[in-house]
Amino acid sequence: DQQVKQNSPSLSVQEGRISILNCDYTNSMFDYFLWYKKYPAEGPTFLISISSIKDKNEDGRFTVFLNKSAKHLSLHIVPSQPGDSAVYFCAASSNTGFQKLVFGTGTRLLVSP
Amino acid sequence: DVKVTQSSRYLVKRTGEKVFLECVQDMDHENMFWYRQDPGLGLRLIYFSYDVKMKEKGDIPEGYSVSREKKERFSLILESASTNQTSMYLCASRINNEQFFGPGTRLTVL
Repeated sequence: DQQVKQNSPSLSVQEGRISILNCDYTNSMFDYFLWYKKYPAEGPTFLISISSIKDKNEDGRFTVFLNKSAKHLSLHIVPSQPGDSAVYFCAASSNTGFQKLVFGTGTRLLVSP
Repeated sequence: DVKVTQSSRYLVKRTGEKVFLECVQDMDHENMFWYRQDPGLGLRLIYFSYDVKMKEKGDIPEGYSVSREKKERFSLILESASTNQTSMYLCASRINNEQFFGPGTRLTVL
C-alpha cells in the first residue's frame, strides 16, 4: 500500500522554465512533508519542507505547495537549471508515534540547456 | 555540517555470504535508519533505531538484522545474502524532522 505516490517517474524541462513535481498521499494523519533531491551515487539531500499548518513554503528557487483537502503537494523550481537534474523524492510523516518518514517512488527530473 | 558515513561505496558479495554494512554519524543523533532504494520503489525502510541497543523493524526487515552498540554507529547485517538483496543501501540519522543520509552502498550479490 503506497501511502505516498509520485505518479510521474520522469520529467523533462528546458533550462529557465518552471519544473513542477507532484506528490499525492493517502494517510490523513500525515502533517509534515519534505522533498529530497538525489544525485546518482550520492545519498538524498534535504531540499525543502512544509508543515500542514501552512499551504506554501518558499526557499529561493524552490517552492512547495500543500493542498490538504486534495492530499496533494507539489514542488516548483523556477527557473530550472541543468544542475537541478536529479531524482526528487517526496516524503511524509505524522506527529504520532515515532514519526517515520514515508517516501514516494521518486521523479527523475532532466533539465536540458 | 552533519556527516553520515558508510563503510563502503561499492560491495560485491556471493550468495550465502554474511554481509556487514556499517554507518557512522558524528552529530550525536539518537535516531538512525537503514533504507534500500530500488528503481520504481523509492526508499523503503528496513530497520531503525531510536537509541543505543534499541531497534525496530521497518517495512521490509526480512533477511536483515541490525546492531546499535554505540550511539554513533548503526550496522546492517545480511545473515545470508541473496540475489534479491542486490540494491542501494542508504543509512540516515535524524534530528527533529530532518533526516541526513550517507552516500549509500551499492551492494551486488552474485
